[in-house]
Amino acid sequence: QLQLQESGPGLVKPSETLSLICTVSGGSISSITYYWGWIRQPPGKGLEWIGSIYYSGNTHYNPSLKSRITISGDSSKNQFSLRVSSVTAADTAVYYCASSGYEWGEFDFWGPGTLAIVSS
Amino acid sequence: DIQMTQSPSSLSASVGDRVTITCRASQTIRNYLNWYQQKPGKAPKLLIYAASSLRSGVQSRFSGSGSGTDFTLTISSLQPEDFATYHCQQSYSPPSTFGQGTKVEIK
Repeated sequence: QLQLQESGPGLVKPSETLSLICTVSGGSISSITYYWGWIRQPPGKGLEWIGSIYYSGNTHYNPSLKSRITISGDSSKNQFSLRVSSVTAADTAVYYCASSGYEWGEFDFWGPGTLAIVSS
Repeated sequence: DIQMTQSPSSLSASVGDRVTITCRASQTIRNYLNWYQQKPGKAPKLLIYAASSLRSGVQSRFSGSGSGTDFTLTISSLQPEDFATYHCQQSYSPPSTFGQGTKVEIK
């Protein structure tokens, strides 16, 4: 079964770019079966869908974040990544990567999450 | 965006109790409603998709119902491992949105 693992710096300065990577095992990000998504959860708050990518490179973003986010894939490493530019304290959250059957569908496999703190 | 509202925000219950959590969408989402369980410090775990389909491997005491705008998650007999936060998610139209969560605590 699929396994996902997030990685990235735990601390980012305000106005800088947060970069996270999700490494997938047990399946290929080039598979037509899955969409690959990012979800975040600020401390003590609910979940927010960030966006997703398909093997073709097609992406779908949450309009509330669209101007600041980029999701891309690297099939050679079986990884996909998230970049969030111009971060503020409001971007402090646990970031999860996950798989789904369509662009904004139910997420069936999740990584354990990585906490990203925006602070100077 | 479609707003998802869960109720209650939290509840206290005892082992063996029947527990019901509701989720209301701000517009129709047909049956594109999913339920997750999240324990502290862990990623959410998919329990139910398409409003009432139990994910393989999930205990049968969990069930979901509803369509349109009103949905429920029912735990027929609460077990110690069920104390957690439950989230609903609409996957009908982008952006996908989640409810604020319902925390199930031990009475």
